[in-house]
Amino acid sequence: DAMVIQNPRYQVTQFGKPVTLSCSQTLNHNVMYWYQQKSSQAPKLLFHYYDKDFNNEADTPDNFQSRRPNTSFCFLDIRSPGLGDAAMYLCATSRGGDSNQPQHFGDGTRLSIL
Amino acid sequence: GQNIDQPTEMTATEGAIVQINCTYQTSGFNGLFWYQQHAGEAPTFLSYNVLDGLEEKGRFSSFLSRSKGYSYLLLKELQMKDSASYLCAVLDSNYQLIWGAGTKLIIKP
Repeated sequence: DAMVIQNPRYQVTQFGKPVTLSCSQTLNHNVMYWYQQKSSQAPKLLFHYYDKDFNNEADTPDNFQSRRPNTSFCFLDIRSPGLGDAAMYLCATSRGGDSNQPQHFGDGTRLSIL
Repeated sequence: GQNIDQPTEMTATEGAIVQINCTYQTSGFNGLFWYQQHAGEAPTFLSYNVLDGLEEKGRFSSFLSRSKGYSYLLLKELQMKDSASYLCAVLDSNYQLIWGAGTKLIIKP
């Protein structure tokens, strides 16, 4: 089945220790998104790629970086995680940016900071 | 600013009907989505409305009134597995998805 896959499901890192979350998709969608979601809150868009074009949200901290080496893969790098970065990180894809196509989500990675 | 309002939490009984409301103020409108999110899991797509009226899909229906900036999600014949958060999200004029915080629906036997 075509899908969005995030690894790992659960990630534990130490305060200040860099961590990378990964996302892959078999849907061949050209847009990929990274969201941060904290308990009982709306998903917060961090950035998205439209093909290779990177779009950073204005309030995304510099601590968060992203890479998209090809259509199928996208990575979220957190350079120096702080306690406030503990959250669920959701990857999503959609077909076309200027469209009404729904976003398809992976299962998420729950990040804990020790 | 852009804003999506939904009730924080609702409780309903198994087998009953529940309506979850969503009001929005956004810069432009290119459609409204409803997503279901079980605890600890990712959101899954339920419905999309761009024209006024009711869209029915099995036990779930979604209604939109663009003039009122209002939508609702109607769930019929509630089952225990419907216990989840329901998120309303609006596509604004830049095709950015503006999310509500979600309504946590608790189903009691």
